[in-house]
Amino acid sequence: AQSVTQPDIHITVSEGASLELRCNYSYGATPYLFWYVQSPGQGLQLLLKYFSGDTLVQGIKGFEAEFKRSQSSFNLRKPSVHWSDAAEYFCAVQRPSGGYNKLIFGAGTRLAVHP
Amino acid sequence: KAGVTQTPRYLIKTRGQQVTLSCSPISGHRSVSWYQQTPGQGLQFLFEYFSETQRNKGNFPGRFSGRQFSNSRSEMNVSTLELGDSALYLCASSYEGNTEAFFGQGTRLTVV
Repeated sequence: AQSVTQPDIHITVSEGASLELRCNYSYGATPYLFWYVQSPGQGLQLLLKYFSGDTLVQGIKGFEAEFKRSQSSFNLRKPSVHWSDAAEYFCAVQRPSGGYNKLIFGAGTRLAVHP
Repeated sequence: KAGVTQTPRYLIKTRGQQVTLSCSPISGHRSVSWYQQTPGQGLQFLFEYFSETQRNKGNFPGRFSGRQFSNSRSEMNVSTLELGDSALYLCASSYEGNTEAFFGQGTRLTVV
């Protein structure tokens, strides 16, 4: 079955510290991969996506993610966290073929940032 | 460019009633998908419409239905509301298949 696992439900970091949010997926083939962020009561904003090519992808707000096929992982990183990064982060996968927009989401990781 | 607009933002309904939520996608986008978000089940795909046709459907009961109009605006309907239908309903629009999905701010439905 297709699934996305985000092992960490809550993460707390200090402002200025580095961040890594983990994402593992189970899929028949290499899916398209996404990271979204959600602030309380808001919709989802796309941080970055991986379709193919370079396995290290850059996104908005200083985030990057690395696709590792051997580990079925797509971890999100940021070298220095800002207080405004406090939010919930979702990893998602999508079938890599045309005409299919369904996203399968992980359970999310809630990030708290201490000053 | 205007983003995805969902109306209303908040709704309170009584068990047994029905509700209709609306989503206006980004201009030029023909694909509209709907998701339900709850604390217990997380984000779950409801269905996707493309050019007025339902293209994909999630694992939800028939009480959940949707449609898309010729201008790509979409509505979803939930009939015979249950307490468990209380959720944030999110709409996402995309230009074509397998491209970035842009999400609206959602409609918060509370069933009492």
